[in-house]
Amino acid sequence: ETGVTQTPRHLVMGMTNKKSLKCEQHLGHNAMYWYKQSAKKPLELMFVYNFKEQTENNSVPSRFSPECPNSSHLFLHLHTLQPEDSALYLCASSLDGGSSGANVLTFGAGSRLTVL
Amino acid sequence: GQNIDQPTEMTATEGAIVQINCTYQTSGFNGLFWYQQHAGEAPTFLSYNVLDGLEEKGRFSSFLSRSKGYSYLLLKELQMKDSASYLCAVQDSNYQLIWGAGTKLIIKP
Repeated sequence: ETGVTQTPRHLVMGMTNKKSLKCEQHLGHNAMYWYKQSAKKPLELMFVYNFKEQTENNSVPSRFSPECPNSSHLFLHLHTLQPEDSALYLCASSLDGGSSGANVLTFGAGSRLTVL
Repeated sequence: GQNIDQPTEMTATEGAIVQINCTYQTSGFNGLFWYQQHAGEAPTFLSYNVLDGLEEKGRFSSFLSRSKGYSYLLLKELQMKDSASYLCAVQDSNYQLIWGAGTKLIIKP
């Protein structure tokens, strides 16, 4: 148990489907993140929420839509995805958004997404 | 641009010592992290270095040289459970994390 729970762990969807990924943490952290992890590539930061406010959107296509209703929950809504979006999507949290010191991230185990 | 380099894959023998290198070129520096990720699992925090030198934590040690833009993770008395990917990441001047692609470590009996 890492403290950050992601569901579902595996998801297969067609290009016309709409689905959502869910992330939950009860560590008392105030920042939450979505990362994309593809084989043999660095982690790609997608979105950051700090105290429920979105602070980062790294040129992510609009077919990915984040939602952070409170500091414990984070969603990634998916629609009209492309096969190249197939990857492991990792959620992470940290005490705050990281403006000093060591911003240590606690990760979930990820949602493995396959787009057909 | 910003860049983190680490070997793609390494193989070592159970009981031995292995050193995983990481070199970086970033816009500023506010610390370097190592994370461990077992297959199908979450990355977990191993170490953080912000000053030059060696930080030891049990069988794992992490070294940093800021002048050389270089770090290594040293794993001693290797165990089969150390088979995992090891991710190097640097906090730049804006405290953004820049990630390497990870090093897959294979431990053989």
